[in-house]
Amino acid sequence: SQTIHQWPATLVQPVGSPLSLECTVEGTSNPNLYWYRQAAGRGLQLLFYSVGIGQISSEVPQNLSASRPQDRQFILSSKKLLLSDSGFYLCAWSSLAQYEQYFGPGTRLTVT
Amino acid sequence: AQTVTQSQPEMSVQEAETVTLSCTYDTSESDYYLFWYKQPPSRQMILVIRQEAYKQQNATENRFSVNFQKAAKSFSLKISDSQLGDAAMYFCAYRSARWGGGADGLTFGKGTHLIIQP
Repeated sequence: SQTIHQWPATLVQPVGSPLSLECTVEGTSNPNLYWYRQAAGRGLQLLFYSVGIGQISSEVPQNLSASRPQDRQFILSSKKLLLSDSGFYLCAWSSLAQYEQYFGPGTRLTVT
Repeated sequence: AQTVTQSQPEMSVQEAETVTLSCTYDTSESDYYLFWYKQPPSRQMILVIRQEAYKQQNATENRFSVNFQKAAKSFSLKISDSQLGDAAMYFCAYRSARWGGGADGLTFGKGTHLIIQP
């Protein structure tokens, strides 16, 4: 069966510091991968999606970036965090044959 | 662009009773998918049920069923025999079925907080 992992689970970072969140998927190959952000009391906003290694599409202009160095690895990064980057970050995957997405456990990021 | 609206920020139901959560959406596409996700206090998003727009039959998964009204662009979730473990945020989501659109993300509503009264 497929599983999706995210780490760290919780992160507290000062403004201006760098960020690296990692997501990996097991049990499938060539998945579509997604990064979402959920602000407090709100729905999910799509940040990035990827259909293959090195292929990244951005949905929202911001100081975040994403990379996919391996087939089942998706990384969310920032060179300098802003207070507005605080939130709950969720990684998700879907296969080419299905439209539903499956989510990881998420990372709670607090920028101080 | 598609939009998803959940007009009920919070709903409360007695344990063992039935509750219906509302969702409406706006799209110009004819082929798409709709989903309900559950987000418990752990905050992991869990797929509850999916509906293909080309299917007239409403989807059902055990105690969960939907009322899909394509012409009205309405997609409500009915939870029967509510249990304490059903307490969570529920999100309605839309996804295009067009070629290449499947790689895009889901468009979510803002969610409904469901409270189960013991």
